[in-house]
Amino acid sequence: DAEITQSPRHKITETGRQVTLACHQTWNHNNMFWYRQDLGHGLRLIHYSYGVQDTNKGEVSDGYSVSRSNTEDLPLTLESAASSQTSVYFCASSEGLAGTTGELFFGEGSRLTVL
Amino acid sequence: DQQVKQNSPSLSVQEGRISILNCDYTNSMFDYFLWYKKYPAEGPTFLISISSIKDKNEDGRFTVFLNKSAKHLSLHIVPSQPGDSAVYFCAAAPSANNLFFGTGTRLTVIP
Repeated sequence: DAEITQSPRHKITETGRQVTLACHQTWNHNNMFWYRQDLGHGLRLIHYSYGVQDTNKGEVSDGYSVSRSNTEDLPLTLESAASSQTSVYFCASSEGLAGTTGELFFGEGSRLTVL
Repeated sequence: DQQVKQNSPSLSVQEGRISILNCDYTNSMFDYFLWYKKYPAEGPTFLISISSIKDKNEDGRFTVFLNKSAKHLSLHIVPSQPGDSAVYFCAAAPSANNLFFGTGTRLTVIP
């Protein structure tokens, strides 16, 4: 079965360290997204990609970067982790965009704690 | 500024009764709306959607109602079951664009 997997599921790091969260999907979807979930804010879009070599900033992109070198993977990098980036991160993919076949398929999440 | 709002952080309902979850939005360009359900330690999963050309969409026990003039949508679950206990996120987007999510409502169905 096609799926979307995230790793690691749990990560504790220190302020200033570089952290990369991996996301791998086997749906062959062109569209991939990274969200963070925080109490009182719901799910907020960090970065997204509509295809290989395409990356775009979302509403909370500061301090994060992504790269898309193939269809299956969209790693999220925190260049210098800050305590404000302690959150649960969700990767998602979709076949189309809202209004077409916009249903998002989410991974199980990566809980990141920055001390 | 939150463009999609779920003003009730939590809701408790007796098993077998109706659950009504509400969502308001501010952007008049939104024309596609979805509900996602999330269990603890899992990612959100798609539940039901509606486009702005409709005012109601039904799928089994789940019905979504859209009131465009009020910029309001609601999710009705009838009858509610203990397995429906989860966090429900409302999401909205302009056509062919990215989704904006609400803050979520935690539904507890009491057996």
